[in-house]
Amino acid sequence: NAGVTQTPKFQVLKTGQSMTLQCAQDMNHEYMSWYRQDPGMGLRLIHYSVGAGITDQGEVPNGYNVSRSTTEDFPLRLLSAAPSQTSVYFCASSYLGSNQPQHFGDGTRLSIL
Amino acid sequence: AQTVTQSQPEMSVQEAETVTLSCTYDTSESDYYLFWYKQPPSRQMILVIRQEAYKQQNATENRFSVNFQKAAKSFSLKISDSQLGDAAMYFCAYRSEMSGANSKLTFGKGITLSVRP
Repeated sequence: NAGVTQTPKFQVLKTGQSMTLQCAQDMNHEYMSWYRQDPGMGLRLIHYSVGAGITDQGEVPNGYNVSRSTTEDFPLRLLSAAPSQTSVYFCASSYLGSNQPQHFGDGTRLSIL
Repeated sequence: AQTVTQSQPEMSVQEAETVTLSCTYDTSESDYYLFWYKQPPSRQMILVIRQEAYKQQNATENRFSVNFQKAAKSFSLKISDSQLGDAAMYFCAYRSEMSGANSKLTFGKGITLSVRP
């Protein structure tokens, strides 16, 4: 099993460009989520999904879109990149249930110039 | 909303010694789960240990154990016989039982642990 796969691992964008961060999991997890990690801030939830066709906002959703057309995939879209979105982005998945630990991808380091 | 506080940004420990990382949280709920995650320089997020709030017994995983004080809302991680590979950032996290499927994981800001040889 590959677990949670994120692509790309690194990306540099110019302000105003758009892009999609890909996330795929092969564990048949219902719950998927996106976090951003900034120095001194821990991980903050951007968006999450509890199943195909269902998404909801987390703590810091502005400037990001998500969709969940399949159980396996949960892409994160930056609509118009801003320097404030420079961060490390993590995708995570788990079975439903608060006691289920989340499995994380290896992260994407994104720089917006 | 729940909050998780890790007040010590950095700690250092001598190899083979024991170190305790502190975490406190604020919640009005009675049912929840607490986690410690490790993030080494490779950037991976690795689950270290998990504690169910309804269990009085402290969780243990090999050299890692927790001191869970529900009334004090405290959840510290003890690392025994510290090894060089334990050097990493450690995050404390909270997940509510009340929200069911929509339950979100709330992280503290993390603590950087260095291990001196």
